[in-house]
Amino acid sequence: GDSVTQKEGLVTLTEGLPVMLNCTYQTIYSNAFLFWYVHYLNESPRLLLKSSTDNKRTEHQGFHATLHKSSSSFHLQKSSAQLSDSALYYCALRNNNAGAKLTFGGGTRLTVRP
Amino acid sequence: EAAVTQSPRNKVAVTGGKVTLSCNQTNNHNNMYWYRQDTGHGLRLIHYSYGAGSTEKGDIPDGYKASRPSQENFSLILELATPSQTSVYFCASGDPTGDYAEQFFGPGTRLTVL
Repeated sequence: GDSVTQKEGLVTLTEGLPVMLNCTYQTIYSNAFLFWYVHYLNESPRLLLKSSTDNKRTEHQGFHATLHKSSSSFHLQKSSAQLSDSALYYCALRNNNAGAKLTFGGGTRLTVRP
Repeated sequence: EAAVTQSPRNKVAVTGGKVTLSCNQTNNHNNMYWYRQDTGHGLRLIHYSYGAGSTEKGDIPDGYKASRPSQENFSLILELATPSQTSVYFCASGDPTGDYAEQFFGPGTRLTVL
């Protein structure tokens, strides 16, 4: 079945440095939809970014990601981390053959320190 | 704004006891989902539903039952709670139409089984 791998469980960095959270996926289907959800402490997880178009950059709230189907990757990036970016980030995959079910990665906890 | 609410927000149960977690959505979405969140495992799908009266097994259904009595309500039932079911549980709703089928999450229920 489908799988999503986020190789970093914990990322700690200093405010102002660039952010890159890795996400790779596996699916036998070509129609993959990739998502990044963000979960701030004491809030509900919510959608941050989504894409299904190969090699097209998608941006939202200062974050960006590009789906690369050739390498099955959808890494999340930001040019300059802010303290308020500290949260749990989930990469998720959907394909039309799975209906509306999402497969989530294990999550990456990002901590930004002053 | 459309919303997903969960009750209770916190629950302490005893081993062998019955636990019911409730979810209500005002999004008028056909699909609803129950996940559990555990460090290193991300969000794992327990049960989901396509509409009132339907329930489907997700990836980790053992030890859980679900009930969808109406469009708005979706319950997760632990007939015989065990300490391994200590976790944070999230409910979500989603519109399955359209390419992305974004899911909207509730605030979570923290369950501790002693």
